[in-house]
Amino acid sequence: AQSVAQPEDQVNVAEGNPLTVKCTYSVSGNPYLFWYVQYPNRGLQFLLKYITGDNLVKGSYGFEAEFNKSQTSFHLKKPSALVSDSALYFCAVSTALSGNTPLVFGKGTRLSVIA
Amino acid sequence: GAGVSQSPRYKVAKRGQDVALRCDPISGHVSLFWYQQALGQGPEFLTYFQNEAQLDKSGLPSDRFFAERPEGSVSTLKIQRTQQEDSAVYLCASSPGLAADTQYFGPGTRLTVL
Repeated sequence: AQSVAQPEDQVNVAEGNPLTVKCTYSVSGNPYLFWYVQYPNRGLQFLLKYITGDNLVKGSYGFEAEFNKSQTSFHLKKPSALVSDSALYFCAVSTALSGNTPLVFGKGTRLSVIA
Repeated sequence: GAGVSQSPRYKVAKRGQDVALRCDPISGHVSLFWYQQALGQGPEFLTYFQNEAQLDKSGLPSDRFFAERPEGSVSTLKIQRTQQEDSAVYLCASSPGLAADTQYFGPGTRLTVL
């Protein structure tokens, strides 16, 4: 069975500092990995995904994530945080083993960027 | 272009009432997913359609939950005899149809059962 772990419920970072939101996963076969962001009273917005190829993936709003197969991790990073990055972040995984499979999400990490 | 839309955005139901939640996917998207998001949790899969065919309904929590997509476009999630534990945000997502395709989410319907 697929699973995703986001070990931190909350991450606090000062504006202008680099940020990291952690994610580890467990799947059978090759994973497809996704990051979404959720603002209050809104749906999930897609940030970036890893399918294959280069382990460093660049996405929207200056975010990037690095796929590490040996550590089964897909941490989200940004070199310089903005107050407007404060939101709830979800890591998700699917696999190609059985066609178009649903996403399995982590519990989410709340990012707070302090001015 | 237009994204995924859902209606109503908010629904309050008395315990025992039936509710129907609507999802309009992105035009041309083959796949449609329903997820349930409880307070403070990540979304959890309910059911999945490819065109009008419901290919996976393993996540539906009980036989009170029913989903349909009769013409392969708009989908409706129906909950019969609502219970308090059904209170959650119900999210709909659509994708072009391949395994690696991005799922695009609607704003969700917040259901509160009193």
